[in-house]
Amino acid sequence: DAGVTQSPTHLIKTRGQQVTLRCSPISGHKSVSWYQQVLGQGPQFIFQYYEKEERGRGNFPDRFSARQFPNYSSELNVNALLLGDSALYLCASSFVGGQDRTGELFFGEGSRLTVL
Amino acid sequence: AQKITQTQPGMFVQEKEAVTLDCTYDTSDQSYGLFWYKQPSSGEMIFLIYQGSYDEQNATEGRYSLNFQKARKSANLVISASQLGDSAMYFCAMRAASGSARQLTFGSGTQLTVLP
Repeated sequence: DAGVTQSPTHLIKTRGQQVTLRCSPISGHKSVSWYQQVLGQGPQFIFQYYEKEERGRGNFPDRFSARQFPNYSSELNVNALLLGDSALYLCASSFVGGQDRTGELFFGEGSRLTVL
Repeated sequence: AQKITQTQPGMFVQEKEAVTLDCTYDTSDQSYGLFWYKQPSSGEMIFLIYQGSYDEQNATEGRYSLNFQKARKSANLVISASQLGDSAMYFCAMRAASGSARQLTFGSGTQLTVLP
């Protein structure tokens, strides 16, 4: 079975531009979360979507938005890019259900964004 | 608010030796889960082990074990018989147990290097 897939893997943007990152969860997973990982730090929670509804939002400005589609894939959009938005953006999916004791997140390899 | 502290930015261990990576946490929740993830240079976060706050036994998964001391709010990862492939960044993370929420709070990580 395919794991979590993200695209693009690498991209370079300039300040003020907009970017869209895409994520396909593991088949059967209905929850998708987004994390930002700045170099040298741990990942920080941005959003969680479950059944196409936003279920959680981290401490990020309104320039960050996301959505989840009927097939449970997701997009993260960042507007008006700043140099500080340069980071690895990780998508994670999870199965939410009665047998899911741990709530383990399965991560993709991330999209590495560089803002110049 | 939840907080994870990893005080070891870098650790070295000889191949085949055991190593302990430290993690302390702070939370006011009574029910929570603790995770350890491994992040190789590829960027993907790989789930290693989980400990629930009400679990009476320390979690073990192959060469990984979690030394859970609830009163001290610590959840140290022990890797036995280190292998060269264990060289990676290791993150401790916490999740409050609440419905479908899948938000993890991560520490700053420990870079483990296994020496031949």
